[in-house]
Order: sequence, then C-alpha cells, then structure tokens
Amino acid sequence: EPEVTQTPSHQVTQMGQEVILRCVPISNHLYFYWYRQILGQKVEFLVSFYNNEISEKSEIFDDQFSVERPDGSNFTLKIRSTKLEDSAMYFCASSLGGVWDEQYFGPGTRLTVT
Amino acid sequence: TQLLEQSPQFLSIQEGENLTVYCNSSSVFSSLQWYRQEPGEGPVLLVTVVTGGEVKKLKRLTFQFGDARKDSSLHITAAQPGDTGLYLCAGDSSNYGGSQGNLIFGKGTKLSVKP
Repeated sequence: EPEVTQTPSHQVTQMGQEVILRCVPISNHLYFYWYRQILGQKVEFLVSFYNNEISEKSEIFDDQFSVERPDGSNFTLKIRSTKLEDSAMYFCASSLGGVWDEQYFGPGTRLTVT
Repeated sequence: TQLLEQSPQFLSIQEGENLTVYCNSSSVFSSLQWYRQEPGEGPVLLVTVVTGGEVKKLKRLTFQFGDARKDSSLHITAAQPGDTGLYLCAGDSSNYGGSQGNLIFGKGTKLSVKP
C-alpha cells in the first residue's frame, strides 16, 4: 500500500542552525502539507502546497520556514534558524485532491533543538 | 477560530466494554476525519464523514457525523487491548471540502483497554 515517507526520523540540531526535513508523498497525490505536534499538544497545521506554490499557511509558518518541491517526488520543509520552541514532531501529509479528500500522514520527523 | 473539543481526554476500560468518544465544535466542518495515533508515529486515517447525519461502520467501530456537521462521535463495541491508542478527530476547515482546507485537530482521547 502506498505511504508517505519522511527522513530523517530524528534530527538533533543546535539553536540557530538550518534544518531541512524531507518527505516523499504518495506518488499520484497532488496536495502536500506540513503539520507539527509539540510534545503533549495537538497536531497543528503549518502549510499546504499545490501546483508548486503555497496554498495556505498558518501563523506559525513565519519567514523562518519555507517549503519546496525540488523534483517530482520530494517535498521539503526548511527552518532557516531554529529556535528551542521549534522542537516538535513534524508530519508531512499528502492527498489526491477533489472534494471530500483525505489526507495521509507520514511517520514524522522528531526535531530536537538544543 | 475553529476549535474541536474531544472528550473524554482519557479513558481506561476493561476488555469487552463499549465506549463512545465525542468530538464537538461550534463551527461547521465540510468533512471530519478520525485518526488513530501511536506514540512517536504519525496519525493513521480511520474514516472520513462528510454528510450530516452520516453513520459509517468499520468492524467494531461506528462513526457518526452530527446533522449540523458540528460534531461527531466514535463508538467502539466490545473493546479489545489492540484498540488502545490515541484517537484524534480532525475537521476540514474549508467551506467546500477537498484538499484546499487544512485540518484542524482535536487534542485527542487516549484510550487504554485492559485485558
């Protein structure tokens, strides 16, 4: 069964460093998303991406964040200068598109900023 | 701001018991999805409900979407230890459904089923 994959599973970085989280969405899906979940809190939407541009973004997704689809398969989230409060699980999701569509999530990347 | 409130937050029951988990909002959602999440893993989609009053069954799990599309419930019959996990509801925030809307998640119900 097709699934969303994410790498790395765990990333440790120092405050101020740049990180890139990678995702391979399900191959025929057209819409891509990033969510995050701070430990013990609910899953929060960051950004959605369609047709090579951002469709929607939340207040969390400030200038420190960017997304890219560098080729036909990868979807990346870059955090330019990490802060301690960026420590969280980051989930990539993808969906096929159309009405009443369903989003499928990857296993997540645990980002720890020290 | 659209919010989804889930209750109860924690539920611990014995194997064989029935349970219901609730997901409520003051906002209307075009669709609502239920996920199950294991510790350290991503949410796994269980079901999507889209029509007010809709009922969907998945083996021992029954999902219902409220008539006004503001609330939903998950009922588990004869719970088993394998049902243990975090159950999340998530609403599609767009006015017309589809992937154009981001998902708004509830905090989840942590279910523990003891043998």
